[in-house]
Amino acid sequence: QKEVEQNSGPLSVPEGAIASLNCTYSDRVSQSFFWYRQYSGKSPELIMSIYSNGDKEDGRFTAQLNKASQYVSLLIRDSQPSDSATYLCAVNPVEYGNKLVFGAGTILRVKS
Amino acid sequence: NAGVTQTPKFQVLKTGQSMTLQCAQDMNHNSMYWYRQDPGMGLRLIYYSASEGTTDKGEVPNGYNVSRLNKREFSLRLESAAPSQTSVYFCASSARQGIGYTFGSGTRLTVV
Repeated sequence: QKEVEQNSGPLSVPEGAIASLNCTYSDRVSQSFFWYRQYSGKSPELIMSIYSNGDKEDGRFTAQLNKASQYVSLLIRDSQPSDSATYLCAVNPVEYGNKLVFGAGTILRVKS
Repeated sequence: NAGVTQTPKFQVLKTGQSMTLQCAQDMNHNSMYWYRQDPGMGLRLIYYSASEGTTDKGEVPNGYNVSRLNKREFSLRLESAAPSQTSVYFCASSARQGIGYTFGSGTRLTVV
């Protein structure tokens, strides 16, 4: 069974700070990596995908991937109270076809 | 612009009762999935359908059955509900490997 590990948190950051969320995975040949945001009582929403080593930026979000170290991270700049949610990391091992393996999520709390 | 539609949103069952959770997507996606989400355990795959006419077991299939009725619809059936099946159930779909999922709004199921 492929594994995806995340710190459950909660991670508390002040408004305007950078929030850094981390994820490690066990499968060396995974090719696709995703970050989902899930508000309390709601369904997961895809916010970032990354496929190559390095950084990918989209607005206030930056995803970072290091395949050699088997970790993927999500940076949220200028954090807002509306960013308070659970962030799920998901990995797509090559041999799993379309199936994703999810981490248990990190709770982020942004304090105003 | 419905995306993935799940019904019902809430359900309370007595132990031993049966029910079917319905899921439909209007994005012409090939693959569909059923996950359950429990506190601290993240999203766990119950069953999936890589394409119309095919279904396969996921990580936690015991106590469940599925039907891929056509390309749009993928239902999950609990034949004899047990308290351990109390959970939030999410249906999701994806177009192809390497593309993230789109989730439905979820069904909150309580078995008493």
